[in-house]
Amino acid sequence: EPEVTQTPSHQVTQMGQEVILRCVPISNHLYFYWYRQILGQKVEFLVSFYNNEISEKSEIFDDQFSVERPDGSNFTLKIRSTKLEDSAMYFCASSGLAGEQFFGPGTRLTVL
Amino acid sequence: AQSVTQLDSHVSVSEGTPVLLRCNYSSSYSPSLFWYVQHPNKGLQLLLKYTSAATLVKGINGFEAEFKKSETSFHLTKPSAHMSDAAEYFCVVSVPNFGNEKLTFGTGTRLTIIP
Repeated sequence: EPEVTQTPSHQVTQMGQEVILRCVPISNHLYFYWYRQILGQKVEFLVSFYNNEISEKSEIFDDQFSVERPDGSNFTLKIRSTKLEDSAMYFCASSGLAGEQFFGPGTRLTVL
Repeated sequence: AQSVTQLDSHVSVSEGTPVLLRCNYSSSYSPSLFWYVQHPNKGLQLLLKYTSAATLVKGINGFEAEFKKSETSFHLTKPSAHMSDAAEYFCVVSVPNFGNEKLTFGTGTRLTIIP
């Protein structure tokens, strides 16, 4: 069964450093998403991406964040200069026309 | 705008007894509604979804949910709890948009199963 994969599973970084979180969506999906879940809080939408451009983004997704689909398979989330409050679990998801979103296992980002 | 309210942050039931996890939604449009489950240190798995077809939706692992428009509710039920059902459950709403849909999550309900 096809699945969404994410790497790394856990990323530790120093405040101010850049991080790139990677995702491989399901191959025939067209829509790609990033969500995050701060420890003990609910899952929050960050951004959606379609046809090589951002479809929608939340207030959280400020200029420090960017997304890219550099090739036909990967979908990345970059945080330019990490802050302590960026520590969270980041989930990638993808969907086809049916709209059902399939989630990856997540990357736990720890900013020290 | 859309939102969901999960009425219980924590539910405990004994193994073999029924499970009820409550969810109310708010949406300006006819919504799609979902229940996702998250086991400890795992990702999010779709349990079931409602997308304007039958109001009683059956999902995986014996779970089902009923869409009640008059009550703006989408409660999740299971007739008999199993130890493996212990997890965090999220009620989720979105506005159908031909696949490009932002999901709005509830705060989650932690389900504990008592042996």
